[in-house]
Amino acid sequence: EDQVTQSPEALRLQEGESSSLNCSYTVSGLRGLFWYRQDPGKGPEFLFTLYSAGEEKEKERLKATLTKKESFLHITAPKPEDSATYLCAVQAKGGGTSYGKLTFGQGTILTVHP
Amino acid sequence: EAQVTQNPRYLITVTGKKLTVTCSQNMNHEYMSWYRQDPGLGLRQIYYSMNVEVTDKGDVPEGYKVSRKEKRNFPLILESPSPNQTSLYFCASSLSSSGGAFYNEQFFGPGTRLTVL
Repeated sequence: EDQVTQSPEALRLQEGESSSLNCSYTVSGLRGLFWYRQDPGKGPEFLFTLYSAGEEKEKERLKATLTKKESFLHITAPKPEDSATYLCAVQAKGGGTSYGKLTFGQGTILTVHP
Repeated sequence: EAQVTQNPRYLITVTGKKLTVTCSQNMNHEYMSWYRQDPGLGLRQIYYSMNVEVTDKGDVPEGYKVSRKEKRNFPLILESPSPNQTSLYFCASSLSSSGGAFYNEQFFGPGTRLTVL
């Protein structure tokens, strides 16, 4: 069974204080790992897709990296508007239509204080 | 505007009264999926559809039904709702590539908050 664990559950930062969020996963062959941002009362919004170990992607103050067991979302010099819940999800390799299955972690609630 | 729409946005109902939550996308996406989100449990996949007439179970399919008769619509049916189905529901869609082997970003709807009394 695919498993995704995110840590910490909640993270409070001061504006400008860089940090990282962790996503550990267990899958029988990774097809893709996804990061989403979710604001209160809204649907998740896509950030990144990573497909293989060693891959990195960046967008503004966010950088996502991937190893064979975990992914990190690095936040450099965060601003209050970066406050949100960050979700990680994995898609496993599989036969038939099973590769349509997506498993999410519980998320990390990030709060950035001015 | 490219979007995923869900209706209703809020629904309060009683145990056993059949209901349908509609989901529609205007992006010609092959893949669509339903999730429920509960505090402490995160997003859990209920059902997904790789294309018209192709549906499959996610992690928590019990008590739910889906159908995909048209590419743009993917309704979620609760034939006999129970209080443990009280939750926030999200529909999402995505393009797939390589014959469906990969899909990219999912576009999520605004959510439907369901309360079953």
